Amino acid sequence: DVKVTQSSRYLVKRTGEKVFLECVQDMDHENMFWYRQDPGLGLRLIYFSYDVKMKEKGDIPEGYSVSREKKERFSLILESASTNQTSMYLCASSPLPGAGTDTQYFGPGTRLTVL
Amino acid sequence: QKEVEQNSGPLSVPEGAIASLNCTYSDRGSQSFFWYRQYSGKSPELIMFIYSNGDKEDGRFTAQLNKASQYVSLLIRDSQPSDSATYLCATRNTGGFKTIFGAGTRLFVKA
Repeated sequence: DVKVTQSSRYLVKRTGEKVFLECVQDMDHENMFWYRQDPGLGLRLIYFSYDVKMKEKGDIPEGYSVSREKKERFSLILESASTNQTSMYLCASSPLPGAGTDTQYFGPGTRLTVL
Repeated sequence: QKEVEQNSGPLSVPEGAIASLNCTYSDRGSQSFFWYRQYSGKSPELIMFIYSNGDKEDGRFTAQLNKASQYVSLLIRDSQPSDSATYLCATRNTGGFKTIFGAGTRLFVKA
């Protein structure tokens, strides 16, 4: 079974703190994604990566950065957390498009609260 | 206009009935279509994908795609209380990396 793990299920941080969210997948997938999910807005793509050290901005990259130093690990960084970044953060991985089913496999999520 | 639109619901159906979930999309370049189920407090999980016009059946689930109308639906036959969840519709372009998700439809199946 594909397994995507995230470093924390719940996290509480203060405004201005630097926050690291880690994601690890064990299926050798090329693609990895970070989303945030808010009520009524659905899943919104923050950043994605299609290879080690490669990254692309998603729809809402402002206030975030990412790092992918190893294929299995994709980190999301909030440089200076703000209250409007309180949300559920979901990591996902998928094989390359065309490599059989190109479904995305999601981690359990991190519910981040910024006070 | 949102790229992928779904009625937020809630859609309420009695146990044993057919639940019909609908989704429209705006990008005519969309080639892959997905339905994810998300239980409260959990992450989304794929239940169906469809690439070609027509119907695709998997157990109690049937996905229907009409590219001319830019419409995709999910039918759940013999609905069970365990089907109560939010269903997310998603689309992707050929060769694209980004998957666009709708906001989801909440389904309640009453015992």
